[in-house]
Amino acid sequence: KNEVEQSPQNLTAQEGEFITINCSYSVGISALHWLQQHPGGGIVSLFMLSSGKKKHGRLIATINIQEKHSSLHITASHPRDSAVYICVISRPTGNQFYFGTGTSLTVIP
Amino acid sequence: GAGVSQSPSNKVTEKGKDVELRCDPISGHTALYWYRQSLGQGLEFLIYFQGNSAPDKSGLPSDRFSAERTGGSVSTLTIQRTQQEDSAVYLCASSLAGSVDRGYEQYFGPGTRLTVT
Repeated sequence: KNEVEQSPQNLTAQEGEFITINCSYSVGISALHWLQQHPGGGIVSLFMLSSGKKKHGRLIATINIQEKHSSLHITASHPRDSAVYICVISRPTGNQFYFGTGTSLTVIP
Repeated sequence: GAGVSQSPSNKVTEKGKDVELRCDPISGHTALYWYRQSLGQGLEFLIYFQGNSAPDKSGLPSDRFSAERTGGSVSTLTIQRTQQEDSAVYLCASSLAGSVDRGYEQYFGPGTRLTVT
């Protein structure tokens, strides 16, 4: 069983739609990251969360530690948001990281 | 300012040869991470450095893989006796300090695409 589960695996949206990507995990964590990987392969770290909610521009990330769940929201989606979004957790000890399989998002103009 | 840089950007090598991949982190970043992404696969964590020491090497896939970091800056990932399954993009990231739970974001380099023929 994978420690990190993401859904959906693939997502197609119309420009302007509100998008939600979900991440569930099964172990104790010290932090959760959301990464964005563009079609060219470059990776950007979007958020690191250990509690609550963070917002950068049109991106919002939330985490519920008790429910072991995080969501990444994109408001007013745009074609340039098309990318793979990856959820990563870090364990409290040993600096181990566990990766979700990613959500491939395509935003259609 | 300058971001994380990696070299070479592409490397093609014959099976059985040794390769060395280099990562230059952002100046002042004490934490450095190596990942790899095989074709069609997700990201796989390999190793993490805090300064020059690597508290956790358990992500290295085999004893053919080793990594070092000197002067708290540049890191090299060495793969000995390369195999075809080592073909992947090797990514390096750095962060300001400490482990991820201290609130420091990771900044990724462009990666080295390794192809073992």
